[in-house]
Amino acid sequence: GESVGLHLPTLSVQEGDNSIINCAYSNSASDYFIWYKQESGKGPQFIIDIRSNMDKRQGQRVTVLLNKTVKHLSLQIAATQPGDSAVYFCAETGLTGNQFYFGTGTSLTVIP
Amino acid sequence: KAGVTQTPRYLIKTRGQQVTLSCSPISGHRSVSWYQQTPGQGLQFLFEYFSETQRNKGNFPGRFSGRQFSNSRSEMNVSTLELGDSALYLCASSLISTGNYGYTFGSGTRLTVV
Repeated sequence: GESVGLHLPTLSVQEGDNSIINCAYSNSASDYFIWYKQESGKGPQFIIDIRSNMDKRQGQRVTVLLNKTVKHLSLQIAATQPGDSAVYFCAETGLTGNQFYFGTGTSLTVIP
Repeated sequence: KAGVTQTPRYLIKTRGQQVTLSCSPISGHRSVSWYQQTPGQGLQFLFEYFSETQRNKGNFPGRFSGRQFSNSRSEMNVSTLELGDSALYLCASSLISTGNYGYTFGSGTRLTVV
């Protein structure tokens, strides 16, 4: 079956520092990856995505890196703000591409 | 543009009862997927509907079912509720195909089974 894991369940960073959240995936055939942010009481919110033909993609204050060799995905948040405090999930489409497999999430706490 | 709307936001049901949850996708989105979210298991895929047809199904028992209407609105039903069904049920819509685009999630329905 599919397995998407995260290296750390919790992460605390000082406001203004950069954050790095990591994710390992098991299916080398996965073609599409997404990072989601979930705040308390809300559904997951799309942050950034990347396809398997790319190694890096940048958005506003966020960068996703994909290392297919070791099946590793990371999310970098620059100049972390209190509003970034949330649970972050990585998701992959897996072998069939018909559904997303989600990691268990990393809880990011930003310390003012 | 309205987002994905799920109703109700909260539900409390008794073991053995059944429940129906509703989801209205973003206008124009034809794919609706349902996920169960629990602290222990994370987000688990239930099923996906596209143009009123169930296109994909996760590993849940037959007590979990769903349907999609011609206006793309979707419902999911859980019969003979068990305590372990307590969870946040999330609906997500996508323009066309799950594998090519990300979802937009609703805020979920919090189901508590007592």
